[in-house]
Amino acid sequence: EAQVTQNPRYLITVTGKKLTVTCSQNMNHEYMSWYRQDPGLGLRQIYYSMNVEVTDKGDVPEGYKVSRKEKRNFPLILESPSPNQTSLYFCASSRTGNEQYFGPGTRLTVT
Amino acid sequence: GQSLEQPSEVTAVEGAIVQINCTYQTSGFYGLSWYQQHDGGAPTFLSYNALDGLEETGRFSSFLSRSDSYGYLLLQELQMKDSASYFCAVARMDSSYKLIFGSGTRLLVRP
Repeated sequence: EAQVTQNPRYLITVTGKKLTVTCSQNMNHEYMSWYRQDPGLGLRQIYYSMNVEVTDKGDVPEGYKVSRKEKRNFPLILESPSPNQTSLYFCASSRTGNEQYFGPGTRLTVT
Repeated sequence: GQSLEQPSEVTAVEGAIVQINCTYQTSGFYGLSWYQQHDGGAPTFLSYNALDGLEETGRFSSFLSRSDSYGYLLLQELQMKDSASYFCAVARMDSSYKLIFGSGTRLLVRP
């Protein structure tokens, strides 16, 4: 089954404790992206990747890191999480960027 | 700068037709996408317009006018399951490819 998976689905952590949210896709897509969704703000792009070892900032990259060492994986790293990073996070993949397939989401709470 | 405007809420009756408008202002415009998101779920791709005109996919159609920086999503024969949030998203291509989402339109379908 073609899918994008994210782990964990839910995470509660404390300020400053490094965390990684994994994202994996099995569709051989070149384009992958991370978004955060906050009430009233829609989805905002954090980082995206056009291919292996190629990443670029989206609209809200501050406080986040990503890596793309393999085509199928695109982890999101929060080196020192803060409460304003409490949000719902979605990973997405696409062959071209136009039609994006989203993962189930990760709900992160930083206290 | 860049901006997308779409109504925050729309209510319609089952079986009716509803149109959700999206106006945008951005540089490097590449195309306009529409996504559906049910409460608690992930966004799912509905349609993509790169050229002017109407694209039809079953009960859903999407329209784009590049000269007017305007598009809409048309939902026909509304069903209760169409109650969801609908997001327009502008694809930008300058030095790289980015997707900018609107804040979403919440559609409520009443019996």
